[in-house]
Amino acid sequence: SQTIHQWPATLVQPVGSPLSLECTVEGTSNPNLYWYRQAAGRGLQLLFYSVGIGQISSEVPQNLSASRPQDRQFILSSKKLLLSDSGFYLCAWSSSHYGYTFGSGTRLTVV
Amino acid sequence: SQQGEEDPQALSIQEGENATMNCSYKTSINNLQWYRQNSGRGLVHLILIRSNEREKHSGRLRVTLDTSKKSSSLLITASRAADTASYFCATVGSGGYQKVTFGTGTKLQVIP
Repeated sequence: SQTIHQWPATLVQPVGSPLSLECTVEGTSNPNLYWYRQAAGRGLQLLFYSVGIGQISSEVPQNLSASRPQDRQFILSSKKLLLSDSGFYLCAWSSSHYGYTFGSGTRLTVV
Repeated sequence: SQQGEEDPQALSIQEGENATMNCSYKTSINNLQWYRQNSGRGLVHLILIRSNEREKHSGRLRVTLDTSKKSSSLLITASRAADTASYFCATVGSGGYQKVTFGTGTKLQVIP
């Protein structure tokens, strides 16, 4: 069965520090992968999606970047975090039959 | 821009009652999906309804889709306290890359 792993679950980082969030998928090959951010009490905002290794599309200009070094690995990064980067970050993969499968999320607080 | 808009934003009902949430969208879709999110957790996929379907059932869930009105509803029958969560609709656009857009969600509270 397909599973998706996302870590860490919570993270507190100072302003100006770097960020690396990792997401891996098991049980499927060549998945479409996504990074979403959810502000408190809000819907989900698509940040990046990837249809294959090295292929990244950015939906919204951000202080963030994404990379896909391997087929089932998707990384969200920042060189210098801003206070506005705080939020709940979700990784997901999609299939045409089952919709999206989300990771458990990372709660990022920038202080 | 957000396409799916849920209504109401918040809903509080007694256990055993039915809960109905609505979702409206603006452009043509390939399919529409409903998700559930417990506080501080990831989203869980509940049900997917394709643009050529009008109604779908899964356990206590019933989803309808009216493409002429660009709207969908999620009905949870005989609600339980464990149904307390936020519910999101997500529309999947038609065309090459099927972009998914999530609404802002309906917060459901089921009072035991």
